[in-house]
Order: sequence, then C-alpha cells, then structure tokens
Amino acid sequence: SQTIHQWPATLVQPVGSPLSLECTVEGTSNPNLYWYRQAAGRGLQLLFYSVGIGQISSEVPQNLSASRPQDRQFILSSKKLLLSDSGFYLCAWSRTFEAFFGQGTRLTVV
Amino acid sequence: GNSVTQMEGPVTLSEEAFLTINCTYTATGYPSLFWYVQYPGEGLQLLLKATKADDKGSNKGFEATYRKETTSFHLEKGSVQVSDSAVYFCALRLNDYKLSFGAGTTVTVRA
Repeated sequence: SQTIHQWPATLVQPVGSPLSLECTVEGTSNPNLYWYRQAAGRGLQLLFYSVGIGQISSEVPQNLSASRPQDRQFILSSKKLLLSDSGFYLCAWSRTFEAFFGQGTRLTVV
Repeated sequence: GNSVTQMEGPVTLSEEAFLTINCTYTATGYPSLFWYVQYPGEGLQLLLKATKADDKGSNKGFEATYRKETTSFHLEKGSVQVSDSAVYFCALRLNDYKLSFGAGTTVTVRA
C-alpha cells in the first residue's frame, strides 16, 4: 500500500531563517506531488505541484520554493522566512483523481 | 477558472442531529468531486467522492450526490456523533493535476 511521510510535525523558526520541509511517498511510482498551505481559520491554498522529477509548477508567487530531486521526494524551502509564512503545510500525492495527504507540518515563524 | 464554494461555518450541532454542508462548484467541463475531512491537528482524509453526474458517494454514514444541473455536491449525515467534529472540505478536480478546495466548514458536535 502507498504511504506518505511528512516531517517535521511541528517547527518554530525565527524570522529570516531558512526552511526545509520534506515529503516522501512510498509504494507508488511517478506520483503527482503537491504542497498546500492552510493558514489559521482558512482554507487550503495550493503552493506548488509537480508531475515529474525536476518539474515544478508554482501557483502563488512568494518567498517559498519547491524541488523534486527524486521521483518520490518533494521538498519545500525558503531562504528567509517571513511572519506571514506561518501556517499548516500539507504534502499530498495523487495518481488518478483523488489525492492523499500527509499529516502536515505546523510552522510558526516568530 | 475552476472554484468551489462551500457553506461558511462554524456549524454547531447536538448529537444525533442532521447535518448538511452545502457545496457548489464552477468548472469548465465535468469535474470529479470530493469531500475531505480534517480532524484536529491532522492532515486531510478522503471521505467520499463522485466522478460523474448523479453518482452518490457515501462513507461512514455521510452521503453526497453529484448534481450537474445545480452544480452542487452537498454533504449530508442523518445522525451525527461527537466524533464527527472536524473541518470538512469540498473539492473538485478536472483532467489536470490540480485539486481545488473550498474554504472548509468547521463542524462541532456536542454531546
């Protein structure tokens, strides 16, 4: 069966520090991969998606970036965090129509 | 573009009450429709889905019917439990790679 791992579960970072969140998928190949952000009390915002290694599409301009160095690995990064980057970050994968989500990372920028 | 509009919350109910969360969509084409549920502090779980008009998705006592004529996919449950307290998201996907979500509806069920 397929599983998705996302870490860390919680993270507190100072403003201006770098960020690296990692997501890996097991049990499938060539998945579509996604990063979403959920701000407090708000819905889900699609940040990036990828249909293959090295292929990244950005939905919202911001100081975040994403990379896919391997087929089942998706990384969300920032060189300098802003207070507004705080939120709940969710990684997801899909092959057909439905998507499967990781447990999320609670990021607090202080 | 494609979008989902769902009923704003929060919704507070007593146990065994009837729950309905409205969801309507705008899409260029015929999307697949989903309801996801998010329990506190967790990621999203697929609750149910429907891939074509008049399909009814069902799971854990929840149901939703894909209504093309009204572009709707309302979620219903006849008798809620405290354990149904969560945030519910309506979502759609066309023949591309993006899953579009509604804003989410927070449901609290009181004993």
